[in-house]
Amino acid sequence: DIQMTQPPSSLSASVGDRVTIPCRASQSISHYLNWYQQKPGKAPKLLIYAASNLQSGVPSRFSGSGSGTDFTLTISSLQPEDFATYYCQQSYYTPPTFGGGTKVEIK
Amino acid sequence: QVQLGQSGAEMKKPGASVKVSCKASGYTFASYGISWVRQAPGQGPEWMGWISVYNGNTNYAQKFQGRVTMTTDTSTNTAYMELRSLRSDDTAVYYCARATNVDTAMEPWGQGTLVTVSS
Repeated sequence: DIQMTQPPSSLSASVGDRVTIPCRASQSISHYLNWYQQKPGKAPKLLIYAASNLQSGVPSRFSGSGSGTDFTLTISSLQPEDFATYYCQQSYYTPPTFGGGTKVEIK
Repeated sequence: QVQLGQSGAEMKKPGASVKVSCKASGYTFASYGISWVRQAPGQGPEWMGWISVYNGNTNYAQKFQGRVTMTTDTSTNTAYMELRSLRSDDTAVYYCARATNVDTAMEPWGQGTLVTVSS
């Protein structure tokens, strides 16, 4: 299975900060990379699909970039509601696999 | 709006089976597939498989082959996931999610069903 790596497992940031969250695939996955946000006790929510496409209804402060093996989720100006865990997921190979997540915490 | 509503929490003994339901609303059920994903406590999500509502074709993760069955009922817009021979490490929240195909993103997700396996 394709391994998705998301270091660090957590990061601290302040409201208004620009935050970048990396994700690396163990093999090239072209642009088949999705980003999800999960808050405690809730289901994941799709933010970005196919590496850089903003899901309908998601604020424009979220953006995604990358292709091949290295990807990044960027939050341009962190808002209080953005404190959550973020997962990347590849869908190029079966089975689709998720990273271990990066938890964004309040500094 | 598009919604997936799942059945309630289950507590099972090792060796038993569990069947989780996922009722879709707000869209044409047969136009999409349903993926099932589970998440053990403190862990990342794990994809279990996908079913085409249109023709019933399935694609299961090798890890669950032989132990999982995914089905749909188009008369009630409901998808089902049955997992057999439960073990303690099957304790997790099980989610359904709408997905056009195996290689597409999943959205929206159901609220999750906690399955606890304990003797």
